[in-house]
Amino acid sequence: KQEVTQIPAALSVPEGENLVLNCSFTDSAIYNLQWFRQDPGKGLTSLLLIQSSQREQTSGRLNASLDKSSGRSTLYIAASQPGDSATYLCAVPNSGNTPLVFGKGTRLSVIA
Amino acid sequence: DVKVTQSSRYLVKRTGEKVFLECVQDMDHENMFWYRQDPGLGLRLIYFSYDVKMKEKGDIPEGYSVSREKKERFSLILESASTNQTSMYLCASSPPGSSTYEQYFGPGTRLTVT
Repeated sequence: KQEVTQIPAALSVPEGENLVLNCSFTDSAIYNLQWFRQDPGKGLTSLLLIQSSQREQTSGRLNASLDKSSGRSTLYIAASQPGDSATYLCAVPNSGNTPLVFGKGTRLSVIA
Repeated sequence: DVKVTQSSRYLVKRTGEKVFLECVQDMDHENMFWYRQDPGLGLRLIYFSYDVKMKEKGDIPEGYSVSREKKERFSLILESASTNQTSMYLCASSPPGSSTYEQYFGPGTRLTVT
């Protein structure tokens, strides 16, 4: 069964720093990988979806990369801002068209 | 924009009560999901549905049931609420097919069972 791990569990950085969040998965036969953001007490907001044929996706200051063969994805946040403070989760389908398996997330704090 | 709504943001119920959590999506999505989220345990799948009147058990279905009578609505039912069902409940929906499997989430329902 697919397992997803996110390291670190929590991260605190000063404003303006570039940072990388990591996600690893055990079964590399994935169709895609999705990154989400969750603010405290709220639902999840989809940030980026990377198809298995893609190496990376970009949206504004966010860039997500995917290396299927090594079972890894990274989320790069450029020039971090206090408004980026949230929990970031990655998720992959268990197999084929099946529900997502989520990592436990990285809780990011950007200090002004 | 896809919109997924949940009937309540906060809910307080007593042990033994029957609880209904409602989820509605407005994008004609075939797939709908119910998760619960607990500190240290992450998101865990309770039930999901790929079509009307269809349901599949997720990882933790015990103590829960679901209903999908209409495509846009997916209900989670706690037959007899217990304190260990105190949690954040999140509903999600997605279009069919594995190649464009982007899930959209509702705002969540914080359920407290006393």
